[in-house]
Amino acid sequence: AQSVAQPEDQVNVAEGNPLTVKCTYSVSGNPYLFWYVQYPNRGLQFLLKYITGDNLVKGSYGFEAEFNKSQTSFHLKKPSALVSDSALYFCAVRGLRGFQKLVFGTGTRLLVSP
Amino acid sequence: DAGITQSPRHKVTETGTPVTLRCHQTENHRYMYWYRQDPGHGLRLIHYSYGVKDTDKGEVSDGYSVSRSKTEDFLLTLESATSSQTSVYFCAISGQGESYEQYFGPGTRLTVT
Repeated sequence: AQSVAQPEDQVNVAEGNPLTVKCTYSVSGNPYLFWYVQYPNRGLQFLLKYITGDNLVKGSYGFEAEFNKSQTSFHLKKPSALVSDSALYFCAVRGLRGFQKLVFGTGTRLLVSP
Repeated sequence: DAGITQSPRHKVTETGTPVTLRCHQTENHRYMYWYRQDPGHGLRLIHYSYGVKDTDKGEVSDGYSVSRSKTEDFLLTLESATSSQTSVYFCAISGQGESYEQYFGPGTRLTVT
């Protein structure tokens, strides 16, 4: 079965420093991977996706993600964190049964301190 | 939130009562989904729809039913609410094609007392 793991419940980083939110995946076939962000009392917002092609994917709000097939990872990164980046981040993978379904990780809370 | 509305946004109900949540989209997307979000579990798929009157179960479908009589509306019904169904419920939509990203509504916070 398709699955993703987010090993960190929370990541703390100081404003201006680079941030990384980790995600590893387990799939049958080619992985279709996604990152979403959730701000308090809001729905999830799509950040970026990897379908095929360049291993470095650029997304919204200055975020990017690096796909690493040998390490089965898809880590979310940003060169310089902002306090406003503080939110809950979810990694997701396309489900095996049915092209459209997504399987989500448990989420990582990012806290950026001033 | 990508032309998706959910109603109600908040609801408190008693154990054993039926509850219906509504998701309405203005994007004319084919696929619609219902998820629940609980701490430590992320988002889990309850049911999804791949067209009018075409629905299927997700990973946590017990105690829930859905209906889709129009492209724009997807209803989630808790047949007899239980305290374990206290959660935040999100509707999502996606179009066809290889992009596969889903767009989410604002959520409904349901409390079953």
